[in-house]
Amino acid sequence: GAGVSQSPSNKVTEKGKDVELRCDPISGHTALYWYRQSLGQGLEFLIYFQGNSAPDKSGLPSDRFSAERTGGSVSTLTIQRTQQEDSAVYLCASSLDGREIHEQYFGPGTRLTVT
Amino acid sequence: SQKIEQNSEALNIQEGKTATLTCNYTNYSPAYLQWYRQDPGRGPVFLLLIRENEKEKRKERLKVTFDTTLKQSLFHITASQPADSATYLCALVRTGANNLFFGTGTRLTVIP
Repeated sequence: GAGVSQSPSNKVTEKGKDVELRCDPISGHTALYWYRQSLGQGLEFLIYFQGNSAPDKSGLPSDRFSAERTGGSVSTLTIQRTQQEDSAVYLCASSLDGREIHEQYFGPGTRLTVT
Repeated sequence: SQKIEQNSEALNIQEGKTATLTCNYTNYSPAYLQWYRQDPGRGPVFLLLIRENEKEKRKERLKVTFDTTLKQSLFHITASQPADSATYLCALVRTGANNLFFGTGTRLTVIP
């Protein structure tokens, strides 16, 4: 079956603009995660959705970052007023159920460059 | 502060040898630990999971150990092949949490 997909694969934007990144998780997976990977850094947790529960936003670095998950499936990560330090690869992952021990399946990522 | 360290940024070994990668953590009480492989330009791919009450897990040429006293996990690839060349990431899930905390990774190169 299809894996996790993300779009766009690359995004170049000017400082101060808003961007939206999209994630399509694996069908039937109730948990969805966003991570950020900067050059030379490890993956940094951003936000976690589990079913229809309120998301765990504890990893969002500032209030310029927000995410939604509509209908328990597709998710959009929005970054407002982008800054150069937002440049990174944004990775989405899904798992069968985040409340249990399951591996996470990652998408290919969106490479964001803020100029 | 909480920290996950992987022994080195890069590791080169000869084909056929065993590669051993180290993951050390501080200030965590992990419920379990996972190892992922990441190739350039791609997302991480799950390899193995080990729970806090397990000492060792094996899968084909891969072996993971987990020592909660030493706060360390070792990841072994036996009979290594050039196709094993990639970055390997360890990740922890804290007790009571749901998200993964990742180390910075070790880039393994297997030399033919």
